[in-house]
Amino acid sequence: SAVISQKPSRDICQRGTSLTIQCQVDSQVTMMFWYRQQPGQSLTLIATANQGSEATYESGFVIDKFPISRPNLTFSTLTVSNMSPEDSSIYLCSVGTLRQGYQDTQYFGPGTRLTVL
Amino acid sequence: KNEVEQSPQNLTAQEGEFITINCSYSVGISALHWLQQHPGGGIVSLFMLSSGKKKHGRLIATINIQEKHSSLHITASHPRDSAVYICAVMNYGGSQGNLIFGKGTKLSVKP
Repeated sequence: SAVISQKPSRDICQRGTSLTIQCQVDSQVTMMFWYRQQPGQSLTLIATANQGSEATYESGFVIDKFPISRPNLTFSTLTVSNMSPEDSSIYLCSVGTLRQGYQDTQYFGPGTRLTVL
Repeated sequence: KNEVEQSPQNLTAQEGEFITINCSYSVGISALHWLQQHPGGGIVSLFMLSSGKKKHGRLIATINIQEKHSSLHITASHPRDSAVYICAVMNYGGSQGNLIFGKGTKLSVKP
C-alpha cells in the first residue's frame, strides 16, 4: 500500500487569497488525482496530475482556478486560487498504480479541510 | 436514480453487533472500492475488489458481479468503527481515477 501525507491538514483562509496543498507519497506511483468533497456531498474528481506535463482536468474545473503541479512520481501540489466561500471543502489527494494497462489500486490521503471566510 | 446506491444511509449499532452495509450499482465496473471516512475528513481505502470476497481483520467485503451488488460486513463492532463508509465503483472503460461514489453510510457504534 501507499502512505500519503497532505499539508496543511486544515486551513481557514480569507476570500480572494490562494492556498497551495501539498501531497507526498512514500513510493513512486503511476497516477495521482485530486478530489474535492463539498459539505454533505460525494467526492468529485478535479483532475489527474501528470508528471512533467499539464494536469488533465474534469469538466467544470479549470487550470486557472486549480493549478496543479507534479514535478516527480511522489509529489504533487494543488492550488485553490482566488478563493471564495464556495471553495470551502475537503480536498483529497489520491494515488493509483497501473498493472498491465489497467488501474490496479487506489489510495486516498488524509485530506485538507479548507474553510474560506 | 444514482448509479451507486448505498443502504442504509444511517446505522446505529451497539458495540459487539455484526454490521452489514450494502452497495448496489447500475453500471458495468472494473472494480469496486470500500472507503472509510472519519470525521476529520481523511479517507482510508479498506478494500478494492472485482470479484469474490476479501477479509481484513474484522472487516469482510463481498461482491456479486452478476447481481451488481457488494456488501461490507463488520464483525464484533467497536465504537472506533464509527465513521462514514463509502462505496465507489470504477466504471468499466471510464477514465482512471474517475470513480463513481455512493453517498455513504454513516455508522455510529455505541459502547
